[in-house]
Amino acid sequence: AQRVTQPEKLLSVFKGAPVELKCNYSYSGSPELFWYVQYSRQRLQLLLRHISRESIKGFTADLNKGETSFHLKKPFAQEEDSAMYYCALMASGSRLTFGEGTQLTVNP
Amino acid sequence: DSGVTQTPKHLITATGQRVTLRCSPRSGDLSVYWYQQSLDQGLQFLIQYYNGEERAKGNILERFSAQQFPDLHSELNLSSLELGDSALYFCASSLRGSSYNSPLHFGNGTRLTVT
Repeated sequence: AQRVTQPEKLLSVFKGAPVELKCNYSYSGSPELFWYVQYSRQRLQLLLRHISRESIKGFTADLNKGETSFHLKKPFAQEEDSAMYYCALMASGSRLTFGEGTQLTVNP
Repeated sequence: DSGVTQTPKHLITATGQRVTLRCSPRSGDLSVYWYQQSLDQGLQFLIQYYNGEERAKGNILERFSAQQFPDLHSELNLSSLELGDSALYFCASSLRGSSYNSPLHFGNGTRLTVT
């Protein structure tokens, strides 16, 4: 069975500081991984897909199959980055499994 | 705007009642997913439909049921409501059933409060 772990429930940084939101997964096959962001309990928005290898709003995430991790990083956090971030795994089939989420607060 | 529409936005009802939540997927998307987000449980996958057929089932209670209609909109029915059913219920849609390379797009959610 697939599982996604986000070890940090809360993460607080100062504006301009680097930020890393951790995500580890367990899945025996080849997963597809996503990061979703939720601002103030609104709808979840897709932030990143690992297959795209893109940078959105300054965020990047690299899939490390050896460590089974997909950490989300941004070199300089902004106040508007404050939100709930969910790491999600799509295994074969159609279920998207979410981690428990990390609430990021960027302080001025 | 994700293109996924959920109604109603808010719903307040009493224990023991039954409610129906509605979701219209993005134009062209065949797959609809339902998720429950509560403060203590996080995001829980409930059920998925693809082109009218049930595709995957998650932690959905027997008191809950869903369906996807020929026009691809979906309804989530919650009955014999309990206080613990209070949560945000999200609908999401994707182009294909497998969702590989077909990410989910979420609606704004329905906030259900059971009193």
